[in-house]
Amino acid sequence: QKEVEQDPGPLSVPEGAIVSLNCTYSNSAFQYFMWYRQYSRKGPELLMYTYSSGNKEDGRFTAQVDKSSKYISLFIRDSQPSDSATYLCAILSGSARQLTFGSGTQLTVLP
Amino acid sequence: EAQVTQNPRYLITVTGKKLTVTCSQNMNHEYMSWYRQDPGLGLRQIYYSMNVEVTDKGDVPEGYKVSRKEKRNFPLILESPSPNQTSLYFCASSPQAGNQPQHFGDGTRLSIL
Repeated sequence: QKEVEQDPGPLSVPEGAIVSLNCTYSNSAFQYFMWYRQYSRKGPELLMYTYSSGNKEDGRFTAQVDKSSKYISLFIRDSQPSDSATYLCAILSGSARQLTFGSGTQLTVLP
Repeated sequence: EAQVTQNPRYLITVTGKKLTVTCSQNMNHEYMSWYRQDPGLGLRQIYYSMNVEVTDKGDVPEGYKVSRKEKRNFPLILESPSPNQTSLYFCASSPQAGNQPQHFGDGTRLSIL
């Protein structure tokens, strides 16, 4: 079993839809949770970063962490065609020097 | 502009011919790392470096070498490349290891024939 599981999609939604992207993890020592966005032919760029259970909002993006269920989510409101990309969850334990990534979910937002 | 620069961006080569992929960052970051990205497997860490002259293996280090002689540079060396090392490679850096997000380069696509 992988330490971080992510539904690979692909996911296709109409413009304006609410998108929900999810990951589950197995290691209780994980403490820091990140979402990266990766456009085609580019490196991943950090979208959201949190270390506590609950919600963190940044514009149209909300990151949600449930440590009791070992479940993290990224919600995108009012999705735009420019949101079309691969979204990667990434998780880090407090003392680890390594970031563990999910396999990524490919999202397409149709105009 | 703060950035992580990788070279080359694309390379096609043959089995056994030594190659080096360079990585340079201009943010004075202590921590640097190499990943490979393969379909369905996501990003997997090859090697990382906590600081100058300090390197350690990640999850998939076999067939790779690294060095960290200067803070800004972290080259990835394939001494005898094989076809199973055909992949998309990313270099990343962060101010320090641990709970700080990493900044990624734009990737190097390697094809080993």
